[in-house]
Amino acid sequence: EAGVAQSPRYKIIEKRQSVAFWCNPISGHATLYWYQQILGQGPKLLIQFQNNGVVDDSQLPKDRFSAERLKGVDSTLKIQPAKLEDSAVYLCASTWGQLRDTQYFGPGTRLTVL
Amino acid sequence: AQSVAQPEDQVNVAEGNPLTVKCTYSVSGNPYLFWYVQYPNRGLQFLLKYITGDNLVKGSYGFEAEFNKSQTSFHLKKPSALVSDSALYFCAVRDTGDNTDKLIFGTGTRLQVFP
Repeated sequence: EAGVAQSPRYKIIEKRQSVAFWCNPISGHATLYWYQQILGQGPKLLIQFQNNGVVDDSQLPKDRFSAERLKGVDSTLKIQPAKLEDSAVYLCASTWGQLRDTQYFGPGTRLTVL
Repeated sequence: AQSVAQPEDQVNVAEGNPLTVKCTYSVSGNPYLFWYVQYPNRGLQFLLKYITGDNLVKGSYGFEAEFNKSQTSFHLKKPSALVSDSALYFCAVRDTGDNTDKLIFGTGTRLQVFP
C-alpha cells in the first residue's frame, strides 16, 4: 500500500512570511497527526485529527499555526507568520484509529526560516 | 506523565558485532512502546512495538527489543550490526490520556556502525 505522502519536501522562507504543508495519509486511515521535529530533538505532537475533527491541539501555537482536514482525508498545516524558531521538520503520520495501531510517518517537510 | 529516556546520544559499534540502543520509560498504566529509525532526509520508519505478551519483540531488518518491566526498559538490539544500520533511532511511548492519543519520543540515539 502507498505510504503517507507529504509536500513540499523542503521549504525556505523569511520570517513573517506564511507557509503551508500538505499531507495525504494512508488510504482508509481515520487518524492523522502532525508532529514538529526540531533539530536534535524527538518529534512533538502539534495536532491530532480523528476523521475531520480535532482530537488534540493542546500543543499547537494557535496564534500562528492552523491546520485543517476538511474531508477527513488529506490535511494542511499552515504557519502565518513564521518565526525563526519554527525551523524544523514537520512530520505527518496516520493510523486506522485503534488503540494498538502503529503510527506510520511520511517523509516530512524541512522548513528553514531565515 | 508518560516519558521515555535515551541515555546515549551516540552508540558506536563495529560491523558484525552485536548492538544495543538503550531506552527507559516512565508510564502510568500499561506501556505501549515503540522503536522508530530515521535515515537522513527521511521520515520515521517503524521497527517494532510492544503492546503485551512476550517480552522479546522481533521487528524489521533483524532488530528486536526486550521489554523489562522491573527495570522499566525497552532496549533495542541486533545480533550482528550492518553499516547500513547507521541512522538515528527513537524510542517512543504511547500517551492515551484525556483527549489525546500521541507518541512521546525520546531525544534519539545516533547509531554509527563502522566497517
